[in-house]
Amino acid sequence: KAGVTQTPRYLIKTRGQQVTLSCSPISGHRSVSWYQQTPGQGLQFLFEYFSETQRNKGNFPGRFSGRQFSNSRSEMNVSTLELGDSALYLCASSEGTGGKNIQYFGAGTRLSVL
Amino acid sequence: EDKVVQSPLSLVVHEGDTVTLNCSYEVTNFRSLLWYKQEKKAPTFLFMLTSSGIEKKSGRLSSILDKKELFSILNITATQTGDSAVYLCAVDSSSNTGKLIFGQGTTLQVKP
Repeated sequence: KAGVTQTPRYLIKTRGQQVTLSCSPISGHRSVSWYQQTPGQGLQFLFEYFSETQRNKGNFPGRFSGRQFSNSRSEMNVSTLELGDSALYLCASSEGTGGKNIQYFGAGTRLSVL
Repeated sequence: EDKVVQSPLSLVVHEGDTVTLNCSYEVTNFRSLLWYKQEKKAPTFLFMLTSSGIEKKSGRLSSILDKKELFSILNITATQTGDSAVYLCAVDSSSNTGKLIFGQGTTLQVKP
């Protein structure tokens, strides 16, 4: 099976712009979770989607949003970019139900805001 | 507030050494604890532990969970330079809502 695929791998934006990141989960996985990774804060949970519905959301401002499509692919959007949004954005997919719910990660999108 | 703490934050050893990485947690609802290895970008899954006292093993790596004392350890024996990475501990405290709470990670450097 193919793993979790994130595109693009690298992005450079300027303050005030918006950005959209994409995540294709492992085939058959219905849950996609998004995380922000920075040297100071480590991995922080953004939100999770399951069957096109947001089931959980972390403590991030409303500028961070996401959605999931019927094929389980997910997108994350950040509007009005700030310098502090520079980070590695990771998505992870899992089956989303049942007890053994292991999250498998993609390689991430490195976002730099200038 | 749910919290996961890893120690040490960094570690330098020589090939052949044995290392022990620690992870303690305070969460309201514990479902499972996971270990990941992050070398370049993508954290790769190592172990999931749900029950106390059950040691998971995969080659030179092993891990054990103590649900009474709220901690887990990850052991790596006969370390190799390829073990150099950041090791992440995460706790799943939700009921199928996709949120993992991560520790800060332990950076392991194995010197030849």
